[in-house]
Amino acid sequence: DTAVSQTPKYLVTQMGNDKSIKCEQNLGHDTMYWYKQDSKKFLKIMFSYNNKELIINETVPNRFSPKSPDKAHLNLHINSLELGDSAVYFCASSQETDSNQPQHFGDGTRLSIL
Amino acid sequence: DQQVKQNSPSLSVQEGRISILNCDYTNSMFDYFLWYKKYPAEGPTFLISISSIKDKNEDGRFTVFLNKSAKHLSLHIVPSQPGDSAVYFCAAFFSGSARQLTFGSGTQLTVLP
Repeated sequence: DTAVSQTPKYLVTQMGNDKSIKCEQNLGHDTMYWYKQDSKKFLKIMFSYNNKELIINETVPNRFSPKSPDKAHLNLHINSLELGDSAVYFCASSQETDSNQPQHFGDGTRLSIL
Repeated sequence: DQQVKQNSPSLSVQEGRISILNCDYTNSMFDYFLWYKKYPAEGPTFLISISSIKDKNEDGRFTVFLNKSAKHLSLHIVPSQPGDSAVYFCAAFFSGSARQLTFGSGTQLTVLP
């Protein structure tokens, strides 16, 4: 019973294309996140979204846009893909009102740009 | 500018012995610290956490120690088991940051049978 699921697991595409990664959580959490794990294995926050408010990390290019159709979904759309976008992208969720609950992560989407 | 640092990229210990993983941070605003464990091709899974008002938290074989004055925390696993072999990430956030985690670069733990 997957709590946070991401699709696709692997995504190979060419530079300049537009692609989306989907994320769904069935934990009833009110906050969702996107993280990027780069080649040096650092996990870095990209966005957090709490129904009412989208918090954008200022280092994220505006080619990246999160879209949340409802509380259980936070999709990541990427325009004009560049070679440097190759990474593993992780979605996560948490309950904002309960600080004792940790973030739960999906298994990641490995994006490779040719 | 790494605000959370794990200076040991790898650690090997014998089964049954203690594993000690270390983490340093620079941002004094962090008030909550977590350890995540990650297997290949999977997402990080939560292991244990500690609030800055405490100096120790224990959960079974796992204990996290926090030294605020040194801005240092450590994860102790005892006894270590082969199934503990994974990458361990230290992470932190501060109240008011929408709980956006800042991660260290991870330490690969290998427990030898």
